[in-house]
Amino acid sequence: GAGVSQSPSNKVTEKGKDVELRCDPISGHTALYWYRQSLGQGLEFLIYFQGNSAPDKSGLPSDRFSAERTGGSVSTLTIQRTQQEDSAVYLCASRNPTTRVDTQYFGPGTRLTVL
Amino acid sequence: GENVEQHPSTLSVQEGDSAVIKCTYSDSASNYFPWYKQELGKRPQLIIDIRSNVGEKKDQRIAVTLNKTAKHFSLHITETQPEDSAVYFCAARTSGTYKYIFGTGTRLKVLA
Repeated sequence: GAGVSQSPSNKVTEKGKDVELRCDPISGHTALYWYRQSLGQGLEFLIYFQGNSAPDKSGLPSDRFSAERTGGSVSTLTIQRTQQEDSAVYLCASRNPTTRVDTQYFGPGTRLTVL
Repeated sequence: GENVEQHPSTLSVQEGDSAVIKCTYSDSASNYFPWYKQELGKRPQLIIDIRSNVGEKKDQRIAVTLNKTAKHFSLHITETQPEDSAVYFCAARTSGTYKYIFGTGTRLKVLA
């Protein structure tokens, strides 16, 4: 079946602009994660959604970052007033907590470049 | 807060040799430890995982060991091949949560 998809694959923006990144999880996966991967760095946890529960936003680096998940499926990560340090690959992952399998399935990522 | 340290950051081995990557976690309540492989320009993919009730797990040429007392876990790759060249990430998940904390990654180069 289809895996996790993300759009756009690349986004170049100017400092101060807002950007929206989209994630389509695997159908039926109720858990959805956003991570940030800066050049040569690890995966930095940003936010986690699980079903109808309140999201875990503990990884969001500032109030310029927000995310929502509509209808328990598609998620959008919004970065307002982008800064150059926001440049990174933003990865989305989904997981099916109703099974005993803990595997997260990652999307291809969105490469964000802030000029 | 939770933290996962990973070493080394880069590792070069000759083809056929073994490679070992080590991680240390801070939260003693962590109970699930996956390892991901990320090839250049591709998404991370799970290669092996281990739960806290197990000390070792093997899958062909790869194995993971866990020392709960020391809060260490390691990835072992034997008989390395050029296609093993990639960045490897360890992670830890705390019991009762679904939040994963990742290490900073190890770039493995297998020299032919």
